[in-house]
Amino acid sequence: DAGVTQSPTHLIKTRGQQVTLRCSPKSGHDTVSWYQQALGQGPQFIFQYYEEEERQRGNFPDRFSGHQFPNYSSELNVNALLLGDSALYLCASSFRDRPYEQYFGPGTRLTVT
Amino acid sequence: AQRVTQPEKLLSVFKGAPVELKCNYSYSGSPELFWYVQYSRQRLQLLLRHISRESIKGFTADLNKGETSFHLKKPFAQEEDSAMYYCALLITDSWGKFQFGAGTQVVVTP
Repeated sequence: DAGVTQSPTHLIKTRGQQVTLRCSPKSGHDTVSWYQQALGQGPQFIFQYYEEEERQRGNFPDRFSGHQFPNYSSELNVNALLLGDSALYLCASSFRDRPYEQYFGPGTRLTVT
Repeated sequence: AQRVTQPEKLLSVFKGAPVELKCNYSYSGSPELFWYVQYSRQRLQLLLRHISRESIKGFTADLNKGETSFHLKKPFAQEEDSAMYYCALLITDSWGKFQFGAGTQVVVTP
């Protein structure tokens, strides 16, 4: 089991563009959470997906949206990119009965120019 | 609103010396606190959870509800302890939403 995987590793986009990031959870996990980690900061919770629904959301605008597929993988979409969206985006997976046991992926580094 | 504060951005200690990373929290519910660690070029991983009361890699952390603190301690630092450490609060009325602190970089020099 490769654990949580994310793609791509790095991404450079221009302000105003849209981006899609992808995450495959650890085998056996059914819940995916997304975090944004700006430089010098801790991860900030964006939202969580379970059973293909957004179950809870952090304090992020609706430019940030997501999706979960039947195989539990997930996508994070960001529209109308701003310079301030430049960050490391982390995906974490867990099993519904053990929400505290989250396994993190390596992250996708997004740079908005 | 909930908050996690790690007052030190950088801690530099000598090998064999004690190390203590401070973490304070603000939360109206019943707190569940965790320490996560990120070694160089590795992903974020769980170090320890206060409920388990375990000692992992020689680290311990005690939840002090009176002082709203969850400091991480190790009596004798090793070079392999050099890493970024994050204190995290699990929001217990959620399904696994973590509130992280800003992190403390630990550098252990020989």
